[in-house]
Amino acid sequence: SQTIHQWPATLVQPVGSPLSLECTVEGTSNPNLYWYRQAAGRGLQLLFYSVGIGQISSEVPQNLSASRPQDRQFILSSKKLLLSDSGFYLCAWSITTGVDQPQHFGDGTRLSIL
Amino acid sequence: DQQVKQNSPSLSVQEGRISILNCDYTNSMFDYFLWYKKYPAEGPTFLISISSIKDKNEDGRFTVFLNKSAKHLSLHIVPSQPGDSAVYFCAAGDSNYQLIWGAGTKLIIKP
Repeated sequence: SQTIHQWPATLVQPVGSPLSLECTVEGTSNPNLYWYRQAAGRGLQLLFYSVGIGQISSEVPQNLSASRPQDRQFILSSKKLLLSDSGFYLCAWSITTGVDQPQHFGDGTRLSIL
Repeated sequence: DQQVKQNSPSLSVQEGRISILNCDYTNSMFDYFLWYKKYPAEGPTFLISISSIKDKNEDGRFTVFLNKSAKHLSLHIVPSQPGDSAVYFCAAGDSNYQLIWGAGTKLIIKP
């Protein structure tokens, strides 16, 4: 069966510090991968998605970047965190990018910027 | 501009009764809709979906209804159980776009 791992579960970082959140998927090949952010009281906002190694699409301009160095590894990064980067970050995978394909989520990372 | 709206932040329902969660959308190009359920400290899990060619889809205790003319969908849970207490998100999309998510409704099932 497929599993998705996302870590850390919580993270407290000072403004201006770098960020690296990692997500890995097991039990499937060539998944589509996604990074979402959920701000308080808001829905999930898609940040990045990837259909293959080295292929990253950005949905919103921001202070963050994503990379996919391996087929089942997706990394969310920042060189200098801003206060506005606080939120709940979720990684997800799906078989294809079609909206009719359910996405399967990790347990998320609660990021607090001080 | 919120294209997908869940206007009720929370809903409280007696155990055994019907829970009805609502979702409205503005983009007539959306042709696929999904409901996800989220427990605290966990990621959302897929619950049920519906294509715009249908007006109803049922899976056990869960039924989703779609009213395209009103741009409205609803999730019915019958009968409601304590384990149904969670945040429910609706999401919508078409073949050219990623999913647009609502802000979620927190469902509380009272014993």
